[in-house]
Amino acid sequence: GAGVSQSPRYKVAKRGQDVALRCDPISGHVSLFWYQQALGQGPEFLTYFQNEAQLDKSGLPSDRFFAERPEGSVSTLKIQRTQQEDSAVYLCASSHRQGKNTEAFFGQGTRLTVV
Amino acid sequence: EDKVVQSPLSLVVHEGDTVTLNCSYEVTNFRSLLWYKQEKKAPTFLFMLTSSGIEKKSGRLSSILDKKELFSILNITATQTGDSAVYLCAVVRFNNNDMRFGAGTRLTVKP
Repeated sequence: GAGVSQSPRYKVAKRGQDVALRCDPISGHVSLFWYQQALGQGPEFLTYFQNEAQLDKSGLPSDRFFAERPEGSVSTLKIQRTQQEDSAVYLCASSHRQGKNTEAFFGQGTRLTVV
Repeated sequence: EDKVVQSPLSLVVHEGDTVTLNCSYEVTNFRSLLWYKQEKKAPTFLFMLTSSGIEKKSGRLSSILDKKELFSILNITATQTGDSAVYLCAVVRFNNNDMRFGAGTRLTVKP
């Protein structure tokens, strides 16, 4: 596609509900990143994929968070048993050149509100 | 622990002013530093810096990196209300290419 696409744009979940957030990176992009951005804060790193391999998941805040990219393209961030502190904008970014200096392109994000 | 620190956290200026935003970092295996502008949701790319002392310029925006002192600055001259945004700095490391962001500087340009 022309850009990074995330869906849904907005999600309201009841506390305890599971949610799944989708990211369609730019076609052919090797690297994919997930970030969590709270209001007034910079994006906080969650996890990083190179193709289908999850190379770094050190930023996932708890074992309720899980990300996958099974075919090296679309990625899903799943949050189980959502809590109010999970409310944030979840940003996905992709970049295309493995091992090269390239900028990453961001999607519009998914705003998750847990009530 | 790796750190990316931006200052100031917020800044209010009037149209026509010149501003300088700062980003300092302490990371292992530094590869590059990127600046992004975030107005609504999606940060948009401004600059990528890999070498010290080489200024990158785009219109009224410019940026430079100092790898010895571990910082970068983003300059905006003749500011306009459309420059109002959060400016994010991110550092990329060699090992795994992930980007680590600072908290951002919120710039407000008043008419």
